[in-house]
Amino acid sequence: QLQLQESGPGLVKPSETLSLTCTVSGGSISSSSYYWGWVRQPPGKGLEWIATTYYSGSTNYSPSLKSRVTMSVDTSKNEFSLKLSSVTAADTAVYYCARHEAVAQGYYGMDVWGQGTTVTVSS
Amino acid sequence: QAVLAQPSSLSASPGASARLTCTLRTGINIGTYWIYWYQQKPGSPPQYLLRYKSDSEKQQGSGVPSRFSGSKDASANAGVLLISGLQSEDEADYYCLTWHSGAWVFGGGTKLTVL
Repeated sequence: QLQLQESGPGLVKPSETLSLTCTVSGGSISSSSYYWGWVRQPPGKGLEWIATTYYSGSTNYSPSLKSRVTMSVDTSKNEFSLKLSSVTAADTAVYYCARHEAVAQGYYGMDVWGQGTTVTVSS
Repeated sequence: QAVLAQPSSLSASPGASARLTCTLRTGINIGTYWIYWYQQKPGSPPQYLLRYKSDSEKQQGSGVPSRFSGSKDASANAGVLLISGLQSEDEADYYCLTWHSGAWVFGGGTKLTVL
C-alpha cells in the first residue's frame, strides 16, 4: 500500500526558504500512473493547493504562489520536494503531500495523502 | 466570488441523510467539471471520498462506504455529496475540489455536525 511521509524543519524564519520533502513508500515515484502534489492548510482554515508535478519534471503551480514555489523530484530516493521562498507568517500551515492518478488528458485530484507536517514561520 | 462555495456548517441527526453542496461560481457551467469530495477529521489529513462528473463517470474512493454518494444539481450549478444513514463518525469537515483554469481549487469546507 502506497504511503507518503512529509519531512522538513518545523520552524522557518521570515524571508527564508521553506524546504520540505515527501518520501514515497510502497510504490515508485517514476510510475507513469501518478502525479505528485503539495497542499497546505493554515491553522483553523481550509485547504489550499500549492503545486503538482510528474516524475519527468512537468509541473503545475498555483497562480497565487507560482513566483515563490519550486517542486523537484528525486527518482533515486523515491521522493519529491517543495521549496517556498520569502516566507511570511501567512505561510504558517500544515503541509501535506499527496498523490494524483494520471489520466490520458492529465490527472485526477488527490487520492492518497501524507499525514502532514506543521511548519511555523517565526523569528 | 470564490470558484467553489460551500455552506460553512450543516447539522443532521443520526440515521438521517445529509446533503452537502458545492456551488460553482456564476458563469461557470458545472456540466463538464469533475467534483471531488474529501472528509477531514480533527488532527488528520483529508481522506478522499469520491469523484463525480456524471452518472457514467464517477469513482468511489477505496474503502469508502456506499452510503457516501455524489451527484450534481444542474439547476443550482452545484456538486452534491449525499451521506445516508448518518453515523456519529461522519462528523467532520468536508471539502470539495475541482480543476479550473489550470489550477486545483478547493471549496471553503462544510463542518458537518451529527447530533
